[in-house]
Amino acid sequence: GQNIDQPTEMTATEGAIVQINCTYQTSGFNGLFWYQQHAGEAPTFLSYNVLDGLEEKGRFSSFLSRSKGYSYLLLKELQMKDSASYLCAGLDSNYQLIWGAGTKLIIKP
Amino acid sequence: ETGVTQTPRHLVMGMTNKKSLKCEQHLGHNAMYWYKQSAKKPLELMFVYSLEERVENNSVPSRFSPECPNSSHLFLHLHTLQPEDSALYLCASSQGGDNTGELFFGEGSRLTVL
Repeated sequence: GQNIDQPTEMTATEGAIVQINCTYQTSGFNGLFWYQQHAGEAPTFLSYNVLDGLEEKGRFSSFLSRSKGYSYLLLKELQMKDSASYLCAGLDSNYQLIWGAGTKLIIKP
Repeated sequence: ETGVTQTPRHLVMGMTNKKSLKCEQHLGHNAMYWYKQSAKKPLELMFVYSLEERVENNSVPSRFSPECPNSSHLFLHLHTLQPEDSALYLCASSQGGDNTGELFFGEGSRLTVL
């Protein structure tokens, strides 16, 4: 079966760095998405990786290793507003999105 | 503001009621989606419309009935729901229905079935 695994909850300190991991098992692979969802709000797109390596967008970076079936989202210089759920989703060979259950990130002062 | 608007934001209904959820996108996209989001569970895709044609129906019970009158509007008609249908229902749109592009989500309709 197809599956996306990510931690349920993580806690980090304001100003620090946090890495949210995601492992995937999909039938074929056409890329991996990260979305951010604040409580009571719409999920919003953060990144899409289809090639191996690190892509940086300001304080947020996303990494992909296709050989390991692994991705992570790296958040630097954490701010209180980064408290949210982070959703990982893999795109399989049929272009179906396989979603993880999300990682709730709690930022403490 | 994501360009996708859902109404109502909150809905409480009994198991014998009939209600509808509405979604409108102002982005000129040609694909629209209904997702179900339950606590601590992955998003569940319910329906996909591309160019106003339904292209996917993931074994959703018939008590959920979608309608897409045009490329900007999507409805989810609800009748004789069960308490386990209580969840956040998210609408999304994209340019193209093959999931290779970014999804734009609405803020969702929080449904409680008593």
